[in-house]
Amino acid sequence: QVTLRESGPALVKPTQTLTLTCTFSGFSLTTTGMCVTWVRQPTGKALEWLALIDWDDDKYYSTSLKTRLTVSRDTSKNQVVLTLTNLDPVDTATYFCARSVAAPGMYYFDYWGQGARVTVSS
Amino acid sequence: EIVMTQSPATLSVSPGERATLSCRASQSVSSNLAWYQQKPGQAPRVLIYGASTRATGIPARFSGSGSGTEFTLTISSLQSEDFAVYYCQQYDDWPPEKAFGQGTKVEIK
Repeated sequence: QVTLRESGPALVKPTQTLTLTCTFSGFSLTTTGMCVTWVRQPTGKALEWLALIDWDDDKYYSTSLKTRLTVSRDTSKNQVVLTLTNLDPVDTATYFCARSVAAPGMYYFDYWGQGARVTVSS
Repeated sequence: EIVMTQSPATLSVSPGERATLSCRASQSVSSNLAWYQQKPGQAPRVLIYGASTRATGIPARFSGSGSGTEFTLTISSLQSEDFAVYYCQQYDDWPPEKAFGQGTKVEIK
């Protein structure tokens, strides 16, 4: 059974750094094809893809946010960590992690965490 | 980059009626398209992948069609639990930046 769960602070001040952890089970991020992605969603708005890390420890970032984003993994703990620096109130959103499988026809996001609501405010 | 455009933004439908949602890609994504349902306060849930394959446990009233640049999600007879926001997502372009459409909200008429 695949599960993912996001954790991190609910409130962060502007200019600070946000660190979110995605803890997963039911798969290994060292298995060929496995990927974990971060997606965020401001209240009432659409989903925005942020970053992805794959089984080979390759990392991909949103072009518009890549100078502020870092994604990393701890395979021994089955965790993926997302950091977002220099926060602004526009970064207020629910942050989701999701799994995908890098195989032909299978790159969609088949399992999602429940999301972590983050508010950026002084 | 591939841009996904969904229409309409809001669809008002009576329970039991058919709902037809559209998604257009700015360039061909072959059949590499998924549809997600999202209810308030919940994570998205995959309904359809490969443009037309229902994910595990998804009722048969949900169907997807299309390929290339034009895609459709049809809900044949809307149930109360189907009122939600629906997103399309292309995965032909990797990594999937700008992968999601803006969503279609299906509301009760």
